[in-house]
Amino acid sequence: AQSVTQLGSHVSVSEGALVLLRCNYSSSVPPYLFWYVQYPNQGLQLLLKYTSAATLVKGINGFEAEFKKSETSFHLTKPSAHMSDAAEYFCAVSPAGGTSYGKLTFGQGTILTVHP
Amino acid sequence: DTGVSQNPRHKITKRGQNVTFRCDPISEHNRLYWYRQTLGQGPEFLTYFQNEAQLEKSRLLSDRFSAERPKGSFSTLEIQRTEQGDSAMYLCASTIRGADNEKLFFGSGTQLSVL
Repeated sequence: AQSVTQLGSHVSVSEGALVLLRCNYSSSVPPYLFWYVQYPNQGLQLLLKYTSAATLVKGINGFEAEFKKSETSFHLTKPSAHMSDAAEYFCAVSPAGGTSYGKLTFGQGTILTVHP
Repeated sequence: DTGVSQNPRHKITKRGQNVTFRCDPISEHNRLYWYRQTLGQGPEFLTYFQNEAQLEKSRLLSDRFSAERPKGSFSTLEIQRTEQGDSAMYLCASTIRGADNEKLFFGSGTQLSVL
């Protein structure tokens, strides 16, 4: 069984400030971990994914995330927020590989607001 | 590559009616997934196909829900005898299983409102 907990349904930052979105997971098997972003009226877009290679994963738009097995965490960060980063972000977990790939379990989402 | 297309974008129906949604995946994508997203929640996995074969349907919410992908291209999701609790966004995603840098591409979804 797998689950994802995103701490904070809303996060607000100033433009240029650090973005930190928290994600903790639970998985009975080695996991793949993902961050997706959803803009209004658009489909979910993959930001980055961890698939058991490097624990620090770099994604699009300057985002990165670090897989910490001991903390069961996969927090998303960006050094300097931009207005265009305002969106809803979802953390997701999947069993590693095999036929289960793509059967994602999502967190509840975090809405990121960026203030000028 | 025109992306994953879902139709209709919005569907309003009365309780008890049947509805069908269509998903056109990216051409040559062999895997197709259906998810449901309710307000304030993350997407919830429903079912998926490898070409025309439905590999899992145990997560479909009830026997009122069914999905097909008859020729391994587009897929349909049908809900019979709709209930107000079926109101949600229904998402489709596709991918090429086994491809380098494999990732899911999501459509914009079909928003269902059951009155």
